[in-house]
Amino acid sequence: AQKVTQAQTEISVVEKEDVTLDCVYETRDTTYYLFWYKQPPSGELVFLIRRNSFDEQNEISGRYSWNFQKSTSSFNFTITASQVVDSAVYFCALSEPPYNTDKLIFGTGTRLQVFP
Amino acid sequence: DTEVTQTPKHLVMGMTNKKSLKCEQHMGHRAMYWYKQKAKKPPELMFVYSYEKLSINESVPSRFSPECPNSSLLNLHLHALQPEDSALYLCASSHPLSGTGELFFGEGSRLTVL
Repeated sequence: AQKVTQAQTEISVVEKEDVTLDCVYETRDTTYYLFWYKQPPSGELVFLIRRNSFDEQNEISGRYSWNFQKSTSSFNFTITASQVVDSAVYFCALSEPPYNTDKLIFGTGTRLQVFP
Repeated sequence: DTEVTQTPKHLVMGMTNKKSLKCEQHMGHRAMYWYKQKAKKPPELMFVYSYEKLSINESVPSRFSPECPNSSLLNLHLHALQPEDSALYLCASSHPLSGTGELFFGEGSRLTVL
């Protein structure tokens, strides 16, 4: 069965620190998609990134970077030089086939608090 | 600003009331979703509409009744709810055949059932 585990419930850092959010997934499918979403206090979930199972290339977008390793079934997210605006709950998610309805399985989320 | 608009942002209702939550998007997306999120929990899928037809119902109790009158609108009709139904209700949309998982979420409607 598909499952996403985010073992870190809450992380607190001081501004400018680097922080890594862990995500471990389980799936029997050979084709799948992994995601990270951000949920700020306002409530909406904001899409951050999607990775398909055939693309293990790491990605960097500004202060954000993602490390996808199929060998360990992990898709970790690093924020470099964190800022107060990064404070939010971050969800890792896995797509479940059939892919025509974008059904996602979410992890339990990691609450990140960045203090000035 | 989110491109998925949900109203009302907050709703308080009694167990005998009938109310509705509304969701609107103008991105041309043809799939729309209702998620329920309890405090400190991940979102849980309730319903999916694809091309205005209900394609997924995650065994949601009948006191929740979804409706998709057109490709831009999604409603969730509420009747005889229980206090445990108090939660944040999130609407989302996507292009249905993309398989991308890029859902666009609204800010949610926070429901309190007394």
